[in-house]
Amino acid sequence: QVQLVESGGGLVKPGGSLRLSCAASGFTFSDYYMSWIRQAPGKGLEWLSYMSSSGNTMYYADSVKGRFTISRDNAKNSLYLQMNSLRAEDTAVYYCARDQYSSGYYVDYWGQGTLVTVSS
Amino acid sequence: QSVLTQPPSVSGAPGQRVTISCTGSSSNIGAGYGVHWYEQLPGTAPKLLIYGNSNRPSGVPDRFSGSKSGTSASLAITGLQAEDEADYYCQSYDSSLSGWVFGGGTKLTVL
Repeated sequence: QVQLVESGGGLVKPGGSLRLSCAASGFTFSDYYMSWIRQAPGKGLEWLSYMSSSGNTMYYADSVKGRFTISRDNAKNSLYLQMNSLRAEDTAVYYCARDQYSSGYYVDYWGQGTLVTVSS
Repeated sequence: QSVLTQPPSVSGAPGQRVTISCTGSSSNIGAGYGVHWYEQLPGTAPKLLIYGNSNRPSGVPDRFSGSKSGTSASLAITGLQAEDEADYYCQSYDSSLSGWVFGGGTKLTVL
């Protein structure tokens, strides 16, 4: 069965960095676009970034452009999110997601999420 | 302010029918991009409910249905059950933002 397991969350000071990882299993990872989506406490969902199956194409939301970098290692079935210059407003649960396509991309599987807290 | 607009809350009694609207614009829903819906139970990750406007993944009861018209979409839930109490989100693609967009979410309360 499809499994997405995030790791790397935790407490970090403003201006600091963190690298999230997502270990994928149960499907051919290299066949799928993958995304990172976050949810601030008590708030809605915010798409952050997606990367094509080959890793050649990636897009970012304006809120993280220039600070966050998505990457993947298809040999290790893993997706990553490097987060730099973190701010208090980046505090959220970060979800790794597998993308699917039907009249547009959507998420068919979500990880359980990892909490990132940015605070001094 | 979300690009896709949903009502903050809806409610209904067990067995009733409720609908949740998702209003966009000519750069997202109105441009022909698909609308997808997710259910998020308290304390859990979202789960896919409807994809491509009106398609249900296997395992999703046919009490859930989706539709789209113009710049709006709707999620309908019939035969409301206590376990349907959750947050519901719509999602599409926006060409002016070159990215995915979510609605602000709707909290469904089963009375």
